[in-house]
Amino acid sequence: EVQLLESGGGLVQSGGSLRLSCAASGFTFSSYGMSWVRQAPGKGLEWVSAIIGSVYTTYYADSVKGRFTISRDNSMDTLYLQMNSLRVEDTAVYYCAKGRGISATAPDSWGQGTLLTVSS
Amino acid sequence: QAVVTQEPSLTVSPGGTVTLTCGSSTGAVTSGHYPYWFQQRPGQAPRTLIYDISNKNSWTPARFSGSLLGGKAALTLSGAQPEDEAEYYCLLSYSGIGIFGGGTRLTVL
Repeated sequence: EVQLLESGGGLVQSGGSLRLSCAASGFTFSSYGMSWVRQAPGKGLEWVSAIIGSVYTTYYADSVKGRFTISRDNSMDTLYLQMNSLRVEDTAVYYCAKGRGISATAPDSWGQGTLLTVSS
Repeated sequence: QAVVTQEPSLTVSPGGTVTLTCGSSTGAVTSGHYPYWFQQRPGQAPRTLIYDISNKNSWTPARFSGSLLGGKAALTLSGAQPEDEAEYYCLLSYSGIGIFGGGTRLTVL
């Protein structure tokens, strides 16, 4: 069974930094593209970033490009999202997701999410 | 950046049929957008119902189906059940960058 467990959320001030982690289990982590999706309180889903392929190609939404960095450690079966220059509008539940294949940037299996609150 | 559009809300009667659509500001939705559909119930994480236009996950009820219809991606629910009341999101891919639609709130009433 696929399990994705996000951690690292919390309260941070505007301009600050935080790193989210996602511990994966139940599948061969290195064989799948992974992504982050967020949801602001009471709002819809927003695709944030993905990392795919054997050379770790990365993709970012315009709203986070240059501020967020996605990475993975296949030896630890862990996905990361380094978030810098945080803004109030980054406040959201952040979901980690597994794709359907090595080149998948879309989410297929989802974690339960971790809440990030950015205060002004 | 493209904008993905969905109906804000729809209502279906129990046992009825409803079609949700997903359009792109850049033109017709095609297989190259790899359309996905997700269901999210209140307080829960989303779950993936449909991928690549019409493929179902093992947990996807048979009453859900996906297609391309009139230049849009479509999700059809045939034989609506009370537990289908939820928010539904589509996702389109633009050269690897994903963009979600704003979501459709489906009421079964």
